[in-house]
Amino acid sequence: AQSVTQLGSHVSVSEGALVLLRCNYSSSVPPYLFWYVQYPNQGLQLLLKYTSAATLVKGINGFEAEFKKSETSFHLTKPSAHMSDAAEYFCAVSAAQGGKLIFGQGTELSVKP
Amino acid sequence: DTAVSQTPKYLVTQMGNDKSIKCEQNLGHDTMYWYKQDSKKFLKIMFSYNNKELIINETVPNRFSPKSPDKAHLNLHINSLELGDSAVYFCASSQDHRVWGTQYFGPGTRLLVL
Repeated sequence: AQSVTQLGSHVSVSEGALVLLRCNYSSSVPPYLFWYVQYPNQGLQLLLKYTSAATLVKGINGFEAEFKKSETSFHLTKPSAHMSDAAEYFCAVSAAQGGKLIFGQGTELSVKP
Repeated sequence: DTAVSQTPKYLVTQMGNDKSIKCEQNLGHDTMYWYKQDSKKFLKIMFSYNNKELIINETVPNRFSPKSPDKAHLNLHINSLELGDSAVYFCASSQDHRVWGTQYFGPGTRLLVL
C-alpha cells in the first residue's frame, strides 16, 4: 500500500524567507510523486511532479522539490516566499493501479508581511 | 476556455434529497475522477472512469452513483443525502490512467446538507 505523510499542518513564514514543506512517502514500488497547490475556494493546480527522471524537479512559481529515495522524502522548497504563495499545499503519490492519487493531509502555508 | 468544469459550484440541500453534480472536460482526456474533500481538507478518491468504463470504485456508499455518458463527461448522482455528505467534490481528468499522468482538477462543488 502507498501513503503520504506531510509534516506540519500549518507553516508560517515571512515574506522573502525560505519555504520548506515536508513530505514523506511510503511505496512498495517506484513512486510517482506530485505537489499540488489549492488557493482558497479553488481547485487544485499542479506545481510539479517526479516521474523517475531527474531527482531535482522544478515547478511553477519558483518552487522545486528533491526526491530522496534513502529518506523516502519529496520536500517542496522555494527560496523566497511571496504573499501570493499563501495557500494549501498537497503532496500526493500515484497508486500502482488506476492512476488514482493518494494525498497527504495538506499543509497550509501562511506568509507574513 | 475552462479545461475541467463542474456544475453547480454550490449546492445547499436538505437531508434525504437526491442531487447530481456534473463534470465536463474539454482536454480530450480519456480518464476522469471524482474526489471528495472533507472539512479537514483531506482529499480521497471516490471513482475513476477510463473512456466511459469504471476502473476505480473506492469504498463509497452505494448512494453515490457515477455515470459517464461519454469520455468528456462524468456525473455524480447522490441519493438520500446525509449530513456527512457535506464536503467539496472535485472532478479531475488525465490523458489516461497511467500512474505518471498529470491530473487536472475542476473548481469543485461545495455541497452542504442541512
